[in-house]
Amino acid sequence: GAVVSQHPSRVICKSGTSVKIECRSLDFQATTMFWYRQFPKKSLMLMATSNEGSKATYEQGVEKDKFLINHASLTLSTLTVTSAHPEDSSFYICSARDPRGRAEAFFGQGTRLTVV
Amino acid sequence: GIQVEQSPPDLILQEGANSTLRCNFSDSVNNLQWFHQNPWGQLINLFYIPSGTKQNGRLSATTVATERYSLLYISSSQTTDSGVYFCAVDSGYAGNTPLVFGKGTRLSVIA
Repeated sequence: GAVVSQHPSRVICKSGTSVKIECRSLDFQATTMFWYRQFPKKSLMLMATSNEGSKATYEQGVEKDKFLINHASLTLSTLTVTSAHPEDSSFYICSARDPRGRAEAFFGQGTRLTVV
Repeated sequence: GIQVEQSPPDLILQEGANSTLRCNFSDSVNNLQWFHQNPWGQLINLFYIPSGTKQNGRLSATTVATERYSLLYISSSQTTDSGVYFCAVDSGYAGNTPLVFGKGTRLSVIA
């Protein structure tokens, strides 16, 4: 299947700092990517839809100024958690749908963010 | 929006046992996928199955689109099957719509 790569897999940062997470589609071009957040023992909740060359679409309740999304190329979307606080600690995972054929969704490895 | 319900929420199996996981969805879909989330959080694609039946080794899945449900069968379970199984759907065509996830079934296989 298609490959979506996410980096870093784990990051620890201090309160007040910013953290950037990268999501790359390695073998296909993705005009759209999706960012999800997962709390312990919970399901994946969509945060935002990242659109190449235009602004991201955020789900209700997600602060766009805190979670900055940039989709600068057809293979790369980034999520920056700005002025991180301990409550931002979570598992963040990105997804892209392979446009070659049936648009099956593939997911990155996820990023476990811990804010101390 | 579309709703996805999975059952059971938790399941404990003895190694070698078989199991059936269920996914109900509230509206017609063009995409239904089953995933296994391993202990490290990685989502592994199991099946893309908006309709019909597929098999892959010890796993098989069936989706009855007209009745809005899908089943995932695990046969001869192994400890490595432990983890969370998610069903996710969407009703879009173009691939630019996100999947909506159920709450998952947490499976523990005991040796």
